This record gives sequence, structure tokens and C-alpha cells, in this order.
Amino acid sequence: DIQMTQSPSSLSASVGDRVSITCRASQSISRYLNWYQQKPGKAPNLLIYAASSLQSGVPSRFSGSGSGTDFTLTIGSLQPEDFATYYCQESYTNTFGGGTKVGIK
Amino acid sequence: QLQLQESGPGLVKPSETLSLTCTVSGGSISTSSYYWGWIRQPPGKGLEWIGSIYYSGSTYYNPSLKSRVTISVDTSKNQFSLRLNSVTAADTAVYYCASLVTYSYASGSYTPYWFFALWGRGTLVTVSS
Repeated sequence: DIQMTQSPSSLSASVGDRVSITCRASQSISRYLNWYQQKPGKAPNLLIYAASSLQSGVPSRFSGSGSGTDFTLTIGSLQPEDFATYYCQESYTNTFGGGTKVGIK
Repeated sequence: QLQLQESGPGLVKPSETLSLTCTVSGGSISTSSYYWGWIRQPPGKGLEWIGSIYYSGSTYYNPSLKSRVTISVDTSKNQFSLRLNSVTAADTAVYYCASLVTYSYASGSYTPYWFFALWGRGTLVTVSS
């Protein structure tokens, strides 16, 4: 089984901050890694696929990087609508990370 | 614009079968562009992929749930369905249906690699007597 570990599990940040979230796979997954945003009471929304490809309609302040076992989601300048929980998902076995909740400082 | 909507009972008794349907609108389920899948999320917890189906009927299941899950497709109704049998309280969750885009394949095989492109709103299913 592939385990996906996200860190931190939560963080507090201010509007305008640069925020980075890490996702680590228990084995190499090449670049088959996707990122989602979920707001309370809503379904997840795809942000990034294939580690660094921005989904259509997603603001350019979101970016993804990494390959192998270590991946990062970066929000360039945090906006009020970005306070949410973020999940990574690997495409080998479709396992999700445990989530990172981004809260207001 | 493609939309997905889950439907089914919100309450299921332990040991019984959970049955949900996802209705696809704004496009045909019989398209080569997508697989169709189910994902669940227990209250306050993370996401778990349950399984996926192609319009031809070919299926992929999460090994941890495979013995209890059946996913089927009805192209005439533009719907796909989930059946999970022998449910317990641990199966209480919001169940989402989603469209899956294949963006690569496993080396040397036809196993697709997906991202979950579009999600339904989700439906809460509680397992309780």
C-alpha cells in the first residue's frame, strides 16, 4: 500500500502570506500526484494535476512541484477565499493524504 | 456544463446494503473522456476512493473495500451506481460521485492514472439501527 503523509496537518497564516504544504509518498509515484481544495460542507475541487499542471480556471497563485516521493503545493499570496483544507492524491492507488487545514492567523 | 448529482437513502441499517446513484447531466456518460467514480469522507475525516467504472462497464475497486463493493453503469439513464453491502457504523460518510480524467497509464499495462476532475455535492449516509 502507498501511504501519503501531508505536513503540516494544520497551519495559520495571514492574507498575503506565501504558504507551502508538503505531501510525501511512501514509495516513488513519479509525478502522478494531484492536489484538491475543500471548503467546509463542499466537495473537493481540483487545483493541480500531474504534480505541477494547473487545472483550468484555478488562479495562478497556486502552484505545484515535486517528483518521486516529495511534493509541494504553494499558494503564492494567500487570499481570503483560500482558507480551506487541502488534500493530495496519488494516482497509482488513488490514496489521499490526510489533509492540511489552512486557517486564519 | 457537466454536473453530477448523488441520490439515495440517507439512513441504512447495520448489515444491510447501501445503494446510491449518480446522475450525470450536461453530457453523456458514454464518453471516452471520463471514467466515473465514488469517493467517501467520514465526518471530520479524510477522503477515501471507493472505486471507478468506464461506460463500457470495466471497473476498478479499492482493494480494502473490493469484497463489499459493486459499481455499475446504466448508459440509457446516464447514471452509475454504488452498492456497498454488509455495512457498519464505519461506513457512515459523505459519499461523492465524480468524473475522472485519465492523464496517463501504468507502464506496460492499460491501468489508467486519474485525477478527479468534477465532483457531485455529496450525500451523507448514516449507518444506524
